Amino acid sequence: GNSVTQMEGPVTLSEEAFLTINCTYTATGYPSLFWYVQYPGEGLQLLLKATKADDKGSNKGFEATYRKETTSFHLEKGSVQVSDSAVYFCALSDKNTGNQFYFGTGTSLTVIP
Amino acid sequence: DADVTQTPRNRITKTGKRIMLECSQTKGHDRMYWYRQDPGLGLRLIYYSFDVKDINKGEISDGYSVSRQAQAKFSLSLESAIPNQTALYFCATSDPGFLREGYNEQFFGPGTRLTVL
Repeated sequence: GNSVTQMEGPVTLSEEAFLTINCTYTATGYPSLFWYVQYPGEGLQLLLKATKADDKGSNKGFEATYRKETTSFHLEKGSVQVSDSAVYFCALSDKNTGNQFYFGTGTSLTVIP
Repeated sequence: DADVTQTPRNRITKTGKRIMLECSQTKGHDRMYWYRQDPGLGLRLIYYSFDVKDINKGEISDGYSVSRQAQAKFSLSLESAIPNQTALYFCATSDPGFLREGYNEQFFGPGTRLTVL
């Protein structure tokens, strides 16, 4: 079946530190992969996506590369800011299962000044 | 104005009460979803609807029911609320037109925080 496993949190970093949040997936077909972000008190917003192997999604300084060989989609940012404090969800959507979404458990990030 | 709205934003109720959570969208999307979010468990799918006449159970539908009143409205009901239904509930929408681009994307409402005492 389909599933997403992501790095457990919480993660606390100092401003300007490098961020990596690991995400691996299991899928029956060829999924699209996503990172969603949830700021305090808000719903989930799409941060970036990749639809096929070796694609790199990027937005707001965040990047993630779709690695089929390692079934991974790790989120990275070179220099985090306090405003990046949020919960980050890795997710997949698989055509073989009606394009339903499967979410990871979320990783809470706190950036301190 | 927000594209996906949920009412109420917060609700406290008692065990055994019937509760309805409402979702409206102005995105014109055919597909709508209800999720619940629990700490450490991420988002889990309760029900989804691909159009007004198509409603499907998700991973955790027991204890819940839904109604798709129109393309823009999708309501979630708890017939007899119990404390373990205390959670954050999200509505989401998507458009199958994205599939022509090779991917699906969901758009989320702001959530309803439900507490069952």
